[in-house]
Amino acid sequence: DSGVTQTPKHLITATGQRVTLRCSPRSGDLSVYWYQQSLDQGLQFLIQYYNGEERAKGNILERFSAQQFPDLHSELNLSSLELGDSALYFCASSESGSDTEAFFGQGTRLTVV
Amino acid sequence: GEDVEQSLFLSVREGDSSVINCTYTDSSSTYLYWYKQEPGAGLQLLTYIFSNMDMKQDQRLTVLLNKKDKHLSLRIADTQTGDSAIYFCAETDSWGKLQFGAGTQVVVTP
Repeated sequence: DSGVTQTPKHLITATGQRVTLRCSPRSGDLSVYWYQQSLDQGLQFLIQYYNGEERAKGNILERFSAQQFPDLHSELNLSSLELGDSALYFCASSESGSDTEAFFGQGTRLTVV
Repeated sequence: GEDVEQSLFLSVREGDSSVINCTYTDSSSTYLYWYKQEPGAGLQLLTYIFSNMDMKQDQRLTVLLNKKDKHLSLRIADTQTGDSAIYFCAETDSWGKLQFGAGTQVVVTP
């Protein structure tokens, strides 16, 4: 158990809908990262937050947004969903964001039908 | 194309050594990582190496780093069936953002 909790584990939704994925980082970790794993794109970095502030942005679509709350949990919002958004979404956390180790959650598998 | 490249598949017999290779492009990466992903599971950090090191050994795992060629390898000694998984090589920037390779599927046969 990495200590990073992601909910839900599985999500099935229709095209055009909006979903929210939730991540609770390890206790004490200030930095949260979101990654998308799909068959065609592999593991792609989406966005990073550090202590509530956005720190880095990767290949995140405009339809997607994220935030980190004062209690350090993070949410990834995906809207106007398309079939191609079906993927495994991982959250990772690290103590400061420039550490040697990021701990990954089990992921949320999103299926858009 | 990806900045981190690795072969997609490796088949190895139980008890033999496995070697997974990776090339990366960002010479400023401070750390280079190997992650393991088992079916239906998240990513597990196996080991990492600091960029000023040539080699790191951790039990059955040996990481070799050739900075000049930007080549990283992971050797698993005495490979077991439980080592069957996808292995990802990754480099990181100063913010800790990971750039992953496509992953190498390792299949261990009896």
